Amino acid sequence: QVQLQESGPGLVKPSETLSLTCVVSGYPISIGYYWGWIRQTPGKGLEWIGSIFQSGNVYYNPSLRSRVAISIDTSMNQFSLKVTSVTAADTAVYYCARQFGYVKHFDSWGQGALVTVSS
Amino acid sequence: QSVLTQPPSVSGAPGQRVTISCTGSSSNIGTVFDVSWYQHLPGTAPKLLIYDNDNRPSGVPDRFSASKSGTSASLAITGLQAEDEAYYYCQSYDNSLSGYVIFGGGTKLTVL
Repeated sequence: QVQLQESGPGLVKPSETLSLTCVVSGYPISIGYYWGWIRQTPGKGLEWIGSIFQSGNVYYNPSLRSRVAISIDTSMNQFSLKVTSVTAADTAVYYCARQFGYVKHFDSWGQGALVTVSS
Repeated sequence: QSVLTQPPSVSGAPGQRVTISCTGSSSNIGTVFDVSWYQHLPGTAPKLLIYDNDNRPSGVPDRFSASKSGTSASLAITGLQAEDEAYYYCQSYDNSLSGYVIFGGGTKLTVL
């Protein structure tokens, strides 16, 4: 059974870079599937950030594309997220998830990591 | 403001049936892109309830069903139980701009 676990700093200063890693266990990320990042800002709904395939092919939310980078490390069975020039609006719970295809559903999710942007 | 529109809240008594709507447009639900539904309790991982418009993953009770028609989709929950109280989100894909995954704004289900 696949399991995903987000990790990274819970506090980031404004204008700095937010970095998170999602460690996947129980399934090799080099076999099929896309791997995505989704966030939930306080009091709001879910927002897709982007998804990456094993080949490194990556898709981003147009509203975040200029500040976001997703990478994948199949040797470590993990993938990562960087968001640059963060502001308070980037304060959110960040989830990583397995995606059936880049236009499809997310069938397994991590528990989420709260990241607060504050000085 | 979400591309997919859901009612902010719905409620029902135990045993009753409730439905949650998800309204999109001709660039998302109204095209070939499928709709999925998630159940979310704050502080926990969202759970996939429905995929490909009307399919349930194994382990999801058949009290949960969904459909898609035109530019809208809906989730129905029958035999409402206290444990169903949660937030529910629809999700699809929009082919405007360069294409992107979209979620509804979420609906809080309260079991009275």
